[in-house]
Amino acid sequence: DTAVSQTPKYLVTQMGNDKSIKCEQNLGHDTMYWYKQDSKKFLKIMFSYNNKELIINETVPNRFSPKSPDKAHLNLHINSLELGDSAVYFCASSHGVAGFQFFGPGTRLTVL
Amino acid sequence: ELKVEQNPLFLSMQEGKNYTIYCNYSTTSDRLYWYRQDPGKSLESLFVLLSNGAVKQEGRLMASLDTKARLSTLHITAAVHDLSATYFCAVVSGTYKYIFGTGTRLKVLA
Repeated sequence: DTAVSQTPKYLVTQMGNDKSIKCEQNLGHDTMYWYKQDSKKFLKIMFSYNNKELIINETVPNRFSPKSPDKAHLNLHINSLELGDSAVYFCASSHGVAGFQFFGPGTRLTVL
Repeated sequence: ELKVEQNPLFLSMQEGKNYTIYCNYSTTSDRLYWYRQDPGKSLESLFVLLSNGAVKQEGRLMASLDTKARLSTLHITAAVHDLSATYFCAVVSGTYKYIFGTGTRLKVLA
């Protein structure tokens, strides 16, 4: 059973389009995250939800909007995609304040 | 703002050798994590270090934490090819904000 899953795995789209990435965890964790990994492999936190409440919202353009319908799901919607949005987006989850983070397989977004 | 630096950025080493990766961070934190990422893959959690002097070991990898020096080390003993990957440390700012280091790309040569 996959602990943290993301769909789609690959996403190729044109500039200006709107797209969504979905994430689900079956670990019973209470906290979920979105990260962006750029072409230089640098990882940056974007958002974090704890018990469906947004607790971390980094300086991300407001074209990015997360949504957590329940504790097991965290989706990321991106409006008006730009070339600079091309990256790998990872979802992760954890339980409690000191637990390990479990990462999803990543979604490679390419904006043409 | 919390900054996390790793060195070296790239490390090429012979099988059987020992080496250490360093992770420095700029402000106080009560948790430090180490992760491994294989090329094109996701991140795998290796260690969490929660207190000054904490040491964790798994196979050929040993991680330690010195909170006074704001320094963690990941020591590799008798490297094997399977350890080739990128290793990240991450420090927590506040409760849930994980700040990742730049990563160390390790290549173990046969």
